[in-house]
Amino acid sequence: AQKVTQAQTEISVVEKEDVTLDCVYETRDTTYYLFWYKQPPSGELVFLIRRNSFDEQNEISGRYSWNFQKSTSSFNFTITASQVVDSAVYFCALSERGRSQGNLIFGKGTKLSVKP
Amino acid sequence: GAVVSQHPSRVICKSGTSVKIECRSLDFQATTMFWYRQFPKQSLMLMATSNEGSKATYEQGVEKDKFLINHASLTLSTLTVTSAHPEDSSFYICSARPERTGTEAFFGQGTRLTVV
Repeated sequence: AQKVTQAQTEISVVEKEDVTLDCVYETRDTTYYLFWYKQPPSGELVFLIRRNSFDEQNEISGRYSWNFQKSTSSFNFTITASQVVDSAVYFCALSERGRSQGNLIFGKGTKLSVKP
Repeated sequence: GAVVSQHPSRVICKSGTSVKIECRSLDFQATTMFWYRQFPKQSLMLMATSNEGSKATYEQGVEKDKFLINHASLTLSTLTVTSAHPEDSSFYICSARPERTGTEAFFGQGTRLTVV
């Protein structure tokens, strides 16, 4: 069965610290997609990244970086030099080839609080 | 990026009344849209898949007669919560994926429903 686990329910850091949000997934498909979304207090979901199962290259976008490791079924997200504006709930999600893309299985989310 | 507009963003209604929520893809066509529900401090759970021109596909445990979905055009899907009850109070969010392959689904801003 497909499943996404975000073991960290809440993380609190001080501004400028680096923080890593963990995501572990389960799927039987060989082709799948992984996502990270940010949900600020206003509620909307902000797309951060999409990665397909055949692309294991790590990605960096500004202060954000992602580490995809198929061997451990993990897709971790690191924020470098965190800022107060990074405070939000972050969701990791999985979409399988057998399901219509856009039908996402979400983890429970990690609430990140960045204090000044 | 692609834009999905959801309306209203907030609604308060009385028990027993019905509430309609709209999800529009503003700059792309979407044969399929998805409706999620999010309880406070919890993850997003897929309620149903909305298919243009045909019946929606509901997830297990979701009442079809209570959550009516209509996908009348390639840019609009509606979710109607019928005979609303305080237990229906929640955050509802839709997503749509552009027809072209290889793109992620985009989310609407969400609708916070409060039934009093």
